[in-house]
Amino acid sequence: DAGVIQSPRHEVTEMGQEVTLRCKPISGHNSLFWYRQTMMRGLELLIYFNNNVPIDDSGMPEDRFSAKMPNASFSTLKIQPSEPRDSAVYFCASSLGGYEYGYTFGSGTRLTVV
Amino acid sequence: GNSVTQMEGPVTLSEEAFLTINCTYTATGYPSLFWYVQYPGEGLQLLLKATKADDKGSNKGFEATYRKETTSFHLEKGSVQVSDSAVYFCALSDPQGGSEKLVFGKGTKLTVNP
Repeated sequence: DAGVIQSPRHEVTEMGQEVTLRCKPISGHNSLFWYRQTMMRGLELLIYFNNNVPIDDSGMPEDRFSAKMPNASFSTLKIQPSEPRDSAVYFCASSLGGYEYGYTFGSGTRLTVV
Repeated sequence: GNSVTQMEGPVTLSEEAFLTINCTYTATGYPSLFWYVQYPGEGLQLLLKATKADDKGSNKGFEATYRKETTSFHLEKGSVQVSDSAVYFCALSDPQGGSEKLVFGKGTKLTVNP
């Protein structure tokens, strides 16, 4: 299995531009999570899906952020418009679902907004 | 609510030293417990887990025992290597928490010097 695949690995964009991050979860995993990691705030859960349905988006910072999961093999996290304070590493993770399995994380997308 | 408290780092050790990273938790239910490791520039990887009291998770020479009486899940390794330098995260998943979300500690950075 190729694991959780995220793209791009690195993204540099100008303030005000739209940014789209992509994630392909492990086949057969029912749950998908988007995290943001910064030095100041550590790991933050932004949103999670179960069976392609958003379950909890309470961590999404503001309306500039949106996430979709149109099918079981693909999810996107979009920031529009982007701001310098959005600079962070964004991780996607997937899970079989349930409380015993833990998550498998992707390698992350390092976003820099200038 | 549920929470995880890890010892603050950074931790610096010499090669072949004994490692302990303390982790205690608060949970409303009977959680599953996890240790994740993040190597520089990578995503988090599941290192080990335990799902019930007195279970011992182990992997790559690391061990942690689920202690319900002390609500702890301390990570240990008898002889660390330079390649163990990374950030270690303790986490829990609580069936009575209402969702399968993992609650993470803030992470402990370990540096092992030759």
